[in-house]
Amino acid sequence: EAGVVQSPRYKIIEKKQPVAFWCNPISGHNTLYWYLQNLGQGPELLIRYENEEAVDDSQLPKDRFSAERLKGVDSTLKIQPAELGDSAVYLCASSSGFLETQYFGPGTRLLVL
Amino acid sequence: KQEVTQIPAALSVPEGENLVLNCSFTDSAIYNLQWFRQDPGKGLTSLLLIQSSQREQTSGRLNASLDKSSGRSTLYIAASQPGDSATYLCAVRHSSNTGKLIFGQGTTLQVKP
Repeated sequence: EAGVVQSPRYKIIEKKQPVAFWCNPISGHNTLYWYLQNLGQGPELLIRYENEEAVDDSQLPKDRFSAERLKGVDSTLKIQPAELGDSAVYLCASSSGFLETQYFGPGTRLLVL
Repeated sequence: KQEVTQIPAALSVPEGENLVLNCSFTDSAIYNLQWFRQDPGKGLTSLLLIQSSQREQTSGRLNASLDKSSGRSTLYIAASQPGDSATYLCAVRHSSNTGKLIFGQGTTLQVKP
């Protein structure tokens, strides 16, 4: 069974530029999560989707971050414009239900110069 | 607000040694607690999940315990091997929330041959 797929794996951009991350969850998983992980820290939840509905986006900085999950499968997380402080690893995870085990992708490592 | 702390932040041991990683949390009203492993540049892999009604879980050389009343969990690794070198993260899920995991900052383990 294929795991959670994320792309790109690495991204280097200049500040004020836009950037987008893509996630393909495990087939059949209705719940999808985006996490932010700073160096030396544990992941922090940005947004959770149940199918195509964002049900918990309280930690998403909505002035510059946006996310979508069209058709309840793949998801895209966007930052516009990027700031230096956005340099981090962005992890996507999926599960068969919101109380079930979460399976994580390898993450996208973002560096903003 | 739930806070999760892991001590020590880093640990280096010789191969074959038994070791204990610690995790503490401030709010005992948890649904479950999970231990993850993270290898450099990769996502998180779930190791053990302990439900709030359980005291411990075992998988191979790993044993995780949970003491809700004191807000503590330990991960015991027996007969450590160089392949165990990674960052270990614990995460708690609150009993009343919507599946959100609160992570500790992790313990980075190095097992020397």
